[in-house]
This record gives sequence, structure tokens and C-alpha cells, in this order.
Amino acid sequence: QITLKESGPTLVRPTQTLTLTCTFSGFSLSTSEEGVVWIRQPPGKALEWLALLYWNDDKRYSPSLSSRLTITKDTSKNQVVLTMTNVGPVDTATYYCGYSRLARFLNYWGQGILVTVSS
Amino acid sequence: DIQMTQSPSTLSASVGDRVTITCRASQSITSWLAWYQQKPGRAPKVLIFDGSSLESGVPPRFSGSGSGTEFTLTISSLQPDDFATYYCQQYNSYPRTFGQGTKVEIK
Repeated sequence: QITLKESGPTLVRPTQTLTLTCTFSGFSLSTSEEGVVWIRQPPGKALEWLALLYWNDDKRYSPSLSSRLTITKDTSKNQVVLTMTNVGPVDTATYYCGYSRLARFLNYWGQGILVTVSS
Repeated sequence: DIQMTQSPSTLSASVGDRVTITCRASQSITSWLAWYQQKPGRAPKVLIFDGSSLESGVPPRFSGSGSGTEFTLTISSLQPDDFATYYCQQYNSYPRTFGQGTKVEIK
């Protein structure tokens, strides 16, 4: 059974760096075809694809955010970490991580974490 | 980026109605499209992948069709549990992109 859970701060000050951790079970990022994706959703708005980390360490980012995002993995801990620098109020959103076999669609999602950016 | 446009944005329907949601891509994505259902306060759940393949455990009243740039999600007979927001997502190229969503409301 595949499960994922996001963790991190729920309140971040403007200009700070946001670090979110996705802890998962039921698969391994050392196994071929496995991937983890980060998605976000501002309150009342649509889903936005942010980044992908594939089993072979291939990384993809949303071009509009690529200068601010970094995605990394700790295979031994079954974790994927997303960092976003220089956050602002527009980054207020629920952030989801998800399992994506073959880096296509999200087969499984975490419960999400609401991050508010405010001074 | 490939732009995904859903229509309508909101749809009012009654239990038992046949409902169709359209998703258009700004360029061909062959059949690399998924549909998700999202209920308030919950993470999305995949319904359809590869344009028309039903995800395991999803009721057969849901179906997907289309290829190239135009796709549809059909609910053959709307049930109370189906009132939610639906999103399409392309995975033909990076970055993956979502439609803006279609909210299915009770009429």
C-alpha cells in the first residue's frame, strides 16, 4: 500500500525559504519507474504542478518557478524534500506530494499541507 | 507550456443526469491525459488515465474519450457522491499542466 505525507511549517514569513518534506511508504525511489511530484493549490484555485523527482535522479521543474525550487531525495529515509526560496503571499497554498509511476499522472496523493506566507 | 482549458467552469446538474466535461489542449498531447476528482478539503483522486483508461476501483459510470487536443469526461448517471471539482492534466511534455477545473454542483 502506497502512502505519502507532507510535513513542514504552516506559517512562513515573506522572503524566507520554505522547506517541505514528503515521507512515503510502499515504494522506493531506488526502483525504476518510480517518481515523486509536488503540486500546489492556492485557496479556491486550481492545481499547479511544481516539480518531479524520478528514481534515476532526473529532476523537472515548472519553468515559472525553476529559479526558486530545488527537489532532492533521501532514499534511505524514503523522503523527498522541496525547497522554495524567497516566498511571498502568492505562495500561500496547500502543497501536495504524490506518487507518479513513469512520471506521468499522480496515482497516489498525500493529504496536503496548508502553508501560509504572511508577516 | 501546454495550456489546458476546461469547459464549463461550473456545471449545475441533478442526480441521474448525464454530464460531460471538455478539456482542450493548446497542442496535441496524443492520449496522455488524466482526469481527477477533488472534493472540498481533500486531495484529488485519479479517475481516468491515458485518455480513456479507468483507474482501478473507479465506478464504470465514469468514462473518458478523445485524443490529440480534445478530450471529454462523461458521467453517465450522476450520483450524490459525484458532486465535486474535476481537473484534467496532460503528461505529454514538461511541465505537466492542469486545467482550471470544472465544479459540478447540485441543481
